[in-house]
Amino acid sequence: AQKVTQAQTEISVVEKEDVTLDCVYETRDTTYYLFWYKQPPSGELVFLIRRNSFDEQNEISGRYSWNFQKSTSSFNFTITASQVVDSAVYFCGDSGGSNYKLTFGKGTLLTVNP
Amino acid sequence: DTGVSQDPRHKITKRGQNVTFRCDPISEHNRLYWYRQTLGQGPEFLTYFQNEAQLEKSRLLSDRFSAERPKGSFSTLEIQRTEQGDSAMYLCASSRLTSGTDTQYFGPGTRLTVL
Repeated sequence: AQKVTQAQTEISVVEKEDVTLDCVYETRDTTYYLFWYKQPPSGELVFLIRRNSFDEQNEISGRYSWNFQKSTSSFNFTITASQVVDSAVYFCGDSGGSNYKLTFGKGTLLTVNP
Repeated sequence: DTGVSQDPRHKITKRGQNVTFRCDPISEHNRLYWYRQTLGQGPEFLTYFQNEAQLEKSRLLSDRFSAERPKGSFSTLEIQRTEQGDSAMYLCASSRLTSGTDTQYFGPGTRLTVL
């Protein structure tokens, strides 16, 4: 069974700081999918990124970047120059080989203070 | 595209009552999922449909829970004889399986409180 660990329960930073959210996964599947979602105070989960296990290229999207390393089973998420609007709970997870059943970590609450 | 919608957004009920939630997926999405999220936890998979067929149910889904997706469009999740432990946010998501990609888009959720 899949297991996803987000060791950081809460992180607090000051605006414009860079912040990295850690994610470690365990899976026995050879093909799997990793993802990140954001859950702002409004409650709706917002999709950020989905990555296939065979694609280890890092991804950059504006102020967001993701570092996928199979050797350490990690899929970390970095926000550069954080903003107050980035305040949310961020969930990492994987779908194993099922391609439909998402297993989420417990989330990291990020608070960006002005 | 219009996003996933869920109704109602909030439901307060007394223990022992039955409740039903509705989810309308994004148009043309053939897969629909239900998850449950309790305070301080990530969402947990409950069940999913491909078109009208319910293909998997989690062990979390006791006999008191039933989900349907008639005609492969909207879906309903019914909880019979509610218990206080059923209090949670019930999330619906939908996706369209194309070329091996299957990104799930979530609705706003229905928050259930069982008194």
